[in-house]
Amino acid sequence: SYELTQPPSVSVSPGQTARITCSGDALPNQYTYWYQQKPGQAPVLVIYKDNERPSGIPERFSGSTSGTTVTLTISGVQAEDEADYYCQSVDSSGPYRVFGGGTKLTVL
Amino acid sequence: EVQLVESGGGLVQPGGSLRLSCAASGFTLRVYEMNWVRQAPGRGLEWVSYSTSSGSAISYADSVKGRFTFSRDNAKNSLYLQMNSLTAEDTAVYYCARESMIAGDAFDYWGQGTLVTVSS
Repeated sequence: SYELTQPPSVSVSPGQTARITCSGDALPNQYTYWYQQKPGQAPVLVIYKDNERPSGIPERFSGSTSGTTVTLTISGVQAEDEADYYCQSVDSSGPYRVFGGGTKLTVL
Repeated sequence: EVQLVESGGGLVQPGGSLRLSCAASGFTLRVYEMNWVRQAPGRGLEWVSYSTSSGSAISYADSVKGRFTFSRDNAKNSLYLQMNSLTAEDTAVYYCARESMIAGDAFDYWGQGTLVTVSS
């Protein structure tokens, strides 16, 4: 199976825009999903199929793709958005599921 | 309300075995693909195993292949993960997670997790 690469950390001030990237060779051919995980809690889906937002997820969360890189964008970051974020995709050869290493978002 | 409740975690010695269970409720398990995902202390999420809705096709991460077995009893609304030849590297919180039927392969519901500690 292949790997998904995320930056270990991203820091932004409240109200600014946070961008978290996820890179992988097979991403142009597969959907990407994003999860938010707060300490001691199970992950929560925030973006599916690259750029779709589940019900109940604030509009400030959005997703985009460009070649082998997908990006989770959080506009107008709030203190409550401080969490770990993981991208996930599928390796259809297995079929395997793959997670990125995770990015810790710090709200300064 | 959709619920996934894992159980069976605990302390086990290296080389030992453990069987995790995941009880599903609030939805029809037999039509959903399911997964096990783990998270070592202070580390990221690691996909462990996937099952088609019927259980006819199951895949494993290389790190557990040949040691772990994913099974499901759709009539009992339950999933199982049999873990053998455990090592310290298997210490983690283990989650069962449902794959969405409308959101691609997204994991739309997760259990609260059960902690497995492998130590002598």
